[in-house]
Amino acid sequence: ELKVEQNPLFLSMQEGKNYTIYCNYSTTSDRLYWYRQDPGKSLESLFVLLSNGAVKQEGRLMASLDTKARLSTLHITAAVHDLSATYFCAVDPGGSQGNLIFGKGTKLSVKP
Amino acid sequence: KAGVTQTPRYLIKTRGQQVTLSCSPISGHRSVSWYQQTPGQGLQFLFEYFSETQRNKGNFPGRFSGRQFSNSRSEMNVSTLELGDSALYLCASSLNGQIYEQYFGPGTRLTVT
Repeated sequence: ELKVEQNPLFLSMQEGKNYTIYCNYSTTSDRLYWYRQDPGKSLESLFVLLSNGAVKQEGRLMASLDTKARLSTLHITAAVHDLSATYFCAVDPGGSQGNLIFGKGTKLSVKP
Repeated sequence: KAGVTQTPRYLIKTRGQQVTLSCSPISGHRSVSWYQQTPGQGLQFLFEYFSETQRNKGNFPGRFSGRQFSNSRSEMNVSTLELGDSALYLCASSLNGQIYEQYFGPGTRLTVT
């Protein structure tokens, strides 16, 4: 059974600080996704990582994928309050049949 | 281009009742996936439909069912509602089921009392 584990599950940061969220998964997959969810809202796609060594950056967020280690990271640089949300990683087990296996999510709170 | 729409957005039902939720995909998309999100279990895949056929199914009891129409609109039905079915139900559409093309709808918040 494919498992996706995120840590930490809760993260309280001060503005201006850096931190990394980790996502480990238990099967061979070279496709990993990061989403953001604000309270009561749907999922917003942040990054699509489709190969080993993929690195994507958008603003203060950078995501990377190491398929050999089965590890993805989401790095936050100089956090600001607007980044407060829950972040999910999800793995595509393959087969192009529209299903994702999600981690439990990391609830990020950025305080001034 | 209109996004994925879900109706209704909010719903309150009583234990034992049944409920039907609707998802209209982005125009041209033929794959619709459904997910359940609860505080305890997180986000879980329910099923995926492509061209009116269920191609993939998650680990949910038979009370959860779905269908897809010829215009790609999809419905999911939950019969004999239980308190634990209270959740945010999300649908996502894509052209052919490829995740990197998948877009999520706003969700339907179901509360079972």
